[in-house]
Amino acid sequence: AQSVTQLGSHVSVSEGALVLLRCNYSSSVPPYLFWYVQYPNQGLQLLLKYTTGATLVKGINGFEAEFKKSETSFHLTKPSAHMSDAAEYFCAVTPSGSARQLTFGSGTQLTVLP
Amino acid sequence: EPEVTQTPSHQVTQMGQEVILRCVPISNHLYFYWYRQILGQKVEFLVSFYNNEISEKSEIFDDQFSVERPDGSNFTLKIRSTKLEDSAMYFCASSKQGAKVEQYFGPGTRLTVT
Repeated sequence: AQSVTQLGSHVSVSEGALVLLRCNYSSSVPPYLFWYVQYPNQGLQLLLKYTTGATLVKGINGFEAEFKKSETSFHLTKPSAHMSDAAEYFCAVTPSGSARQLTFGSGTQLTVLP
Repeated sequence: EPEVTQTPSHQVTQMGQEVILRCVPISNHLYFYWYRQILGQKVEFLVSFYNNEISEKSEIFDDQFSVERPDGSNFTLKIRSTKLEDSAMYFCASSKQGAKVEQYFGPGTRLTVT
């Protein structure tokens, strides 16, 4: 069984400030980890993913995330928030291997204040 | 850039009626998925489909649900007799192959059962 916990259903930051969205997972096997973003009235778009290799992964729009096995975490960060980053962010996990179904966290709504 | 499309964007139906939600996955993708998100809840996996058969399904995907790839482009989700609790946003996704590869999501169909 696997699960994903996103701390903070709503996060507000000022434009130019650091963005930190938290994600912790539990998985019985080594996981693959994903961050998706959803803009209003649009589908889920992949920001970045971790499968194997380097634990610090870079994604689109200046976002990055670090896989920390010891902490079972995959937090999403961006050094400087932009107004266009306002959206809902979902962390997701799937077991490595043949399973493909994604298990999602409950999402974090990011608000960027001017 | 190729994208997953879904129709309709919003479907309203009466309890007990059958609905068919339609998706056109990205053309060279081999795996297809349906997820749903009940308002205020997590995105949940329903089913995955590969090589013209279901490869995985969740406990949500009971006998009321079915999927089909009627031709070379469409992928459909049928709910035979809708219930109030089927009201949700339904997302279709597709991927090329394997667990490491990202799933591309459509914009969703909002199903409202009255």
